[in-house]
Amino acid sequence: NAGVTQTPKFRILKIGQSMTLQCTQDMNHNYMYWYRQDPGMGLKLIYYSVGAGITDKGEVPNGYNVSRSTTEDFPLRLELAAPSQTSVYFCASSPLRVGTEAFFGQGTRLTVV
Amino acid sequence: TQLLEQSPQFLSIQEGENLTVYCNSSSVFSSLQWYRQEPGEGPVLLVTVVTGGEVKKLKRLTFQFGDARKDSSLHITAAQPGDTGLYLCAGGGGGSNYKLTFGKGTLLTVNP
Repeated sequence: NAGVTQTPKFRILKIGQSMTLQCTQDMNHNYMYWYRQDPGMGLKLIYYSVGAGITDKGEVPNGYNVSRSTTEDFPLRLELAAPSQTSVYFCASSPLRVGTEAFFGQGTRLTVV
Repeated sequence: TQLLEQSPQFLSIQEGENLTVYCNSSSVFSSLQWYRQEPGEGPVLLVTVVTGGEVKKLKRLTFQFGDARKDSSLHITAAQPGDTGLYLCAGGGGGSNYKLTFGKGTLLTVNP
């Protein structure tokens, strides 16, 4: 079972570069989330989606963009990368109902230099 | 904004000891979850509690949801080195609030 798959696992970006973090899930979940986790911190919600074509901002959306054209895919776009975006990024999905288990990918470790 | 405060932030204990970690908020949540995260991995769900006053047991772990659904606790009996990890609580909103909000976590180290 693939579950939630994130690519790449590691990436180094130069300041000002752009990139897309890929996330795909094969569980037919409607809810998908992008979080960032800084050292010693919990997870901060960047963006989330309740279904294809529907996205909304979380706590820390500045500098990021998302799209949800299919149920399976929820890519996160970083425009004009900054050192403050150095973090570990996690994608997660869950079934329709809030309160059901969120399944996480293994994360993407991003360093902006 | 719904905030979840976890305490303590760090906890280092000896094998066999008992411990309790807390998750508190000023907001009401429709459900509260506890996750455990190991280095280099994503969080994995331990339990979900949805009813005020609910107590759930998972082997040596006991989870409680406060009567007012604003707080929760995780108690571990006779901790083992394999319990080492980051414990995160997460609250789910009700109604049209679909966000899953996480606390900062408690980093537990159980020494042999």
